[in-house]
Amino acid sequence: SQTIHQWPATLVQPVGSPLSLECTVEGTSNPNLYWYRQAAGRGLQLLFYSVGIGQISSEVPQNLSASRPQDRQFILSSKKLLLSDSGFYLCAWSTGRGLGHEQYFGPGTRLTVT
Amino acid sequence: AQTVTQSQPEMSVQEAETVTLSCTYDTSESNYYLFWYKQPPSRQMILVIRQEAYKQQNATENRFSVNFQKAAKSFSLKISDSQLGDTAMYFCAFFFGNEKLTFGTGTRLTIIP
Repeated sequence: SQTIHQWPATLVQPVGSPLSLECTVEGTSNPNLYWYRQAAGRGLQLLFYSVGIGQISSEVPQNLSASRPQDRQFILSSKKLLLSDSGFYLCAWSTGRGLGHEQYFGPGTRLTVT
Repeated sequence: AQTVTQSQPEMSVQEAETVTLSCTYDTSESNYYLFWYKQPPSRQMILVIRQEAYKQQNATENRFSVNFQKAAKSFSLKISDSQLGDTAMYFCAFFFGNEKLTFGTGTRLTIIP
C-alpha cells in the first residue's frame, strides 16, 4: 500500500532563515506530487505541483520554491522566510492516471515564523 | 476557471442525527470528478468520497453519501447516524484534466454528544 511521509511535523523558524520541508511517497512510482499551504481556519492553497522528476509548476508567485530530485521525493524550500510564510503545509500525491485523480495527503508540517 | 463554493462555514448536529453539507461548483466541462475531504483536528486530510460526473448514480461509502445534481452543479454530502469522530472540517473539491484540485473554503462540522 502507498504511504506518504512529511517532516518535520512542527517547525519554528525566525524571519530571514532558510526552510526545507521534505515529502516522500512509498509504494507507487511516478506519482503526481503537490504542495499546499493552509492558513489557520482557511482552505487549501496550491503552491506547486509536479508530474515528474525535475518538472515543477508554480501556482502563485511567492517566497517559496520546490524541487523534485527523485521520483518520490518532493521538497519545499525558501532562502529567507517571511512572517507570512507561517501556516500548515501539506504534501499530497495522486496517480494522475486513469480514473480517480484523487489526492492523498501527508500528515502536514506546522510552520511558525517568528 | 472552475470555482467551488461551500456556503455553510459552520454546522453542528446532535450525535446520531443526519446532517447534509452543501457544495456548488461552476464549470463548463462535462466530464470531471468531485470529492469530499475530511480534516479532523489532527489536520490530516482524508478522502471521504468521490463521484465521477459521468455516473448518474450517487456515490455511497458506509454512512456517507452524496446527492449529485449535475444540471444544478450541486454536490452535497450526507452523513447519517453522525458520530463524535465526524467532527472535522469538510472540504468539497473539483477535478478536471489539468492535474489540479480546486477546493472549497470548507465547512466546520461539530457533532454534539
